[in-house]
Amino acid sequence: EVQLVESGGGLVQPGGSLRLSCAASGFTFSDHYMDWVRQAPGKGLEWVGRSKNRANSYTTEYAASVKGRFTISRDDSKNSLYLQMNSLKTEDTAVYYCARAYDPTTGYSYYMDVWGKGTTVTVSS
Amino acid sequence: DIQMTQSPSAMSASVGDRVTITCRASQGISNYLVWFQQKPGKVPKRLIYASSSLQSGVPSRFSGSGSGTEFTLTISSLQPEDFATYYCLQHNSYPLTFGGGTKVEIK
Repeated sequence: EVQLVESGGGLVQPGGSLRLSCAASGFTFSDHYMDWVRQAPGKGLEWVGRSKNRANSYTTEYAASVKGRFTISRDDSKNSLYLQMNSLKTEDTAVYYCARAYDPTTGYSYYMDVWGKGTTVTVSS
Repeated sequence: DIQMTQSPSAMSASVGDRVTITCRASQGISNYLVWFQQKPGKVPKRLIYASSSLQSGVPSRFSGSGSGTEFTLTISSLQPEDFATYYCLQHNSYPLTFGGGTKVEIK
């Protein structure tokens, strides 16, 4: 079964840091681009950023709202994706989802088709 | 950045109604558009990819169309389980951007 499981959420003070993890199983993680998407309470979905695969040099892309504060990384040997969040702001409070984004060798059939259940980050003093 | 304008933002409809949701892109995105459905407290579920390709397992009453800047999601005959919020997502260029969502409520 294809599965993504996020962890690492919690309560953090403004200006603090947090590291989220996403454990993947049931598919060839190393072939895929992987995304983080968030949803603030009562709000819509916001794309946070992406890690491309090894074939594309693990290049990362970010939304302007998090660029310079958040860093996406991955460890293909552990089938894991990470989101390091620094200088957190109250507006970063959200549920953070990990999503299987894209496998360039198979086209768009599986584009963002699998999501984890999310982990909640609350930034508050 | 490409802006995705979804309309309407909310609507009331009855079971059996035909429902159309529109997403307009601020610039051309070819067919790089995905539609998601999200129910309260649940994870977004992909319905349509590449503008018009139906996700396996999704009922055929859902369909997508469009290319360039204008896209539609159509539910041909609304069912009770379809009451949810729908989002479009463009992946033509970075940053990826979602539409603001359309909440479909029971009339």
